[in-house]
Amino acid sequence: DAKTTQPPSMDCAEGRAANLPCNHSTISGNEYVYWYRQIHSQGPQYIIHGLKNNETNEMASLIITEDRKSSTLILPHATLRDTAVYYCIVSLRYSGAGSYQLTFGKGTKLSVIP
Amino acid sequence: DTGVSQDPRHKITKRGQNVTFRCDPISEHNRLYWYRQTLGQGPEFLTYFQNEAQLEKSRLLSDRFSAERPKGSFSTLEIQRTEQGDSAMYLCASSLGLADQQETQYFGPGTRLLVL
Repeated sequence: DAKTTQPPSMDCAEGRAANLPCNHSTISGNEYVYWYRQIHSQGPQYIIHGLKNNETNEMASLIITEDRKSSTLILPHATLRDTAVYYCIVSLRYSGAGSYQLTFGKGTKLSVIP
Repeated sequence: DTGVSQDPRHKITKRGQNVTFRCDPISEHNRLYWYRQTLGQGPEFLTYFQNEAQLEKSRLLSDRFSAERPKGSFSTLEIQRTEQGDSAMYLCASSLGLADQQETQYFGPGTRLLVL
């Protein structure tokens, strides 16, 4: 699996957009980009995933560059409850057989400041 | 709540004792994963089930660890002769593997183990 690089920490003012970057320069054509977050002492929470098109759901937007070597997770209006560690993960396209275990790095610790 | 559940949420044991954790996946999810997370690190893969078959194990899963998913529904993870180094959060995730759909894993709240 391709590896990802994320800044170790970021701050964001409450109510502002939080933009979390991720580099995945060795990503291959059959690999998706996933984002999870982990609030202190809880299990990771799925946020969003994408292949090459930008994606949006009720939690966030995912912007993937045209060359797919980097992406940005956008939380449009950050709240204090968004304070968490955010993980960017690259995972193979599902083809039915075998394990698709997620390889977590250390993520970005996002602190939302009142 | 139809999410992944894990039991117990916390476990304190003495070194050398055996412990067993349970994971109940989202119903109809055919794939189940176990991960371990130590302080300050991201989760690390331990093992994976497709229905009742355990199809992959990490090298992290020593012979003191055993996992089962007897009927393809809930799963158990047992650690025998616990060591202090086994202290960690044990996470379970489940997913639905369908052709032509990308898999998404959903995690439970975890079981935090402390070995004294």
